[in-house]
Amino acid sequence: GAVVSQHPSRVICKSGTSVKIECRSLDFQATTMFWYRQFPKKSLMLMATSNEGSKATYEQGVEKDKFLINHASLTLSTLTVTSAHPEDSSFYICSARDQGLPLHFGNGTRLTVT
Amino acid sequence: GENVEQHPSTLSVQEGDSAVIKCTYSDSASNYFPWYKQELGKRPQLIIDIRSNVGEKKDQRIAVTLNKTAKHFSLHITETQPEDSAVYFCAYNFGNEKLTFGTGTRLTIIP
Repeated sequence: GAVVSQHPSRVICKSGTSVKIECRSLDFQATTMFWYRQFPKKSLMLMATSNEGSKATYEQGVEKDKFLINHASLTLSTLTVTSAHPEDSSFYICSARDQGLPLHFGNGTRLTVT
Repeated sequence: GENVEQHPSTLSVQEGDSAVIKCTYSDSASNYFPWYKQELGKRPQLIIDIRSNVGEKKDQRIAVTLNKTAKHFSLHITETQPEDSAVYFCAYNFGNEKLTFGTGTRLTIIP
């Protein structure tokens, strides 16, 4: 089946630094990947749609200059949280589809900003 | 705009009994309705999904029913077991295969 790999699984960083999260489709090509954020005991909220070879599409209220998305190849999308602050601490999950639905999710990255 | 309501937010069921979770959506153009199970600290795992041309789908102890007229779909788990304890999310697609998730239901199976 389709496998999505996400790294790192956990990261702790200091306030003001940047953190990069990688999302890879291991056995399929993904022209589109999706980045979600999940706060404790809350639902998954879509942040942005990552499109291979073009700019990402951000959901309303998500700062594109703070959450930089790069989708340079058909198997890799990266999310960079720039100038991270404690309120950015969350569980970030990527997902991708292999020629249509369903979506396949990565294992997620728990970001803690101190 | 997209909106999905999920009920109940918490559900406790005696082991062996059935559990039902319901979601109501607003966008009549939706045609794909999955259910995900998420254990603490882990990614959501697809447990069953249904497309709009089907009214019901079963997979062993799990079933999903869809009522397009009323715009709601439900997850049914029969013969519940302790390992069914988790948070369950409904979702539906809203354009371009983006998924919008429900608010979640914390299911607890009481041994």
